Amino acid sequence: TQLLEQSPQFLSIQEGENLTVYCNSSSVFSSLQWYRQEPGEGPVLLVTVVTGGEVKKLKRLTFQFGDARKDSSLHITAAQPGDTGLYLCAGDFPLWAGGTSYGKLTFGQGTILTVHP
Amino acid sequence: DAGVTQSPTHLIKTRGQQVTLRCSPKSGHDTVSWYQQALGQGPQFIFQYYEEEERQRGNFPDRFSGHQFPNYSSELNVNALLLGDSALYLCASSLWGAEGYTFGSGTRLTVV
Repeated sequence: TQLLEQSPQFLSIQEGENLTVYCNSSSVFSSLQWYRQEPGEGPVLLVTVVTGGEVKKLKRLTFQFGDARKDSSLHITAAQPGDTGLYLCAGDFPLWAGGTSYGKLTFGQGTILTVHP
Repeated sequence: DAGVTQSPTHLIKTRGQQVTLRCSPKSGHDTVSWYQQALGQGPQFIFQYYEEEERQRGNFPDRFSGHQFPNYSSELNVNALLLGDSALYLCASSLWGAEGYTFGSGTRLTVV
């Protein structure tokens, strides 16, 4: 069974601070995705990382995929109140990528981020 | 270009009843997956449909069943509802063999 451990579970910071969220697993994933979810809405994809060691930047957000494709991190610089939400990492390893599933996402338990003005 | 559409948005059912949730995938997508998300938790995979067949199933009891129609839309059925079935049910569509999932806004099911 593939599991993703996300930490921290809760994060409460002041506007302007930096933060990092971690996503770790003992399993290899062919890709790892980060989502942001607002209350009452579905997850919205932020980024997909597919290559070990890959780093992607999305404005103030920096995403990194571990060399062994088992872990990832999300770093937010100068957080703003609009960044508040549930951040989810999700791994995928479908058959067509050499995996063992037909293509399903395994999610971490999420990090609830609150940025205070 | 419509995204994933789920209906209804909210639903209240009594313990023991049955419920049917519906999902229309994003245009161009042929695969539908269903997830259950408890409050403050990450989504849990229920099952996936492609070519009108259940392709993979997560760790959910047989009370959870589904169907996919020729137009790729899908239904999730839950029988003999339990209080613990209260959750946000998410539908995600994708193209078989390709990366990329689009989620709907979900159906909030409350069992009382």
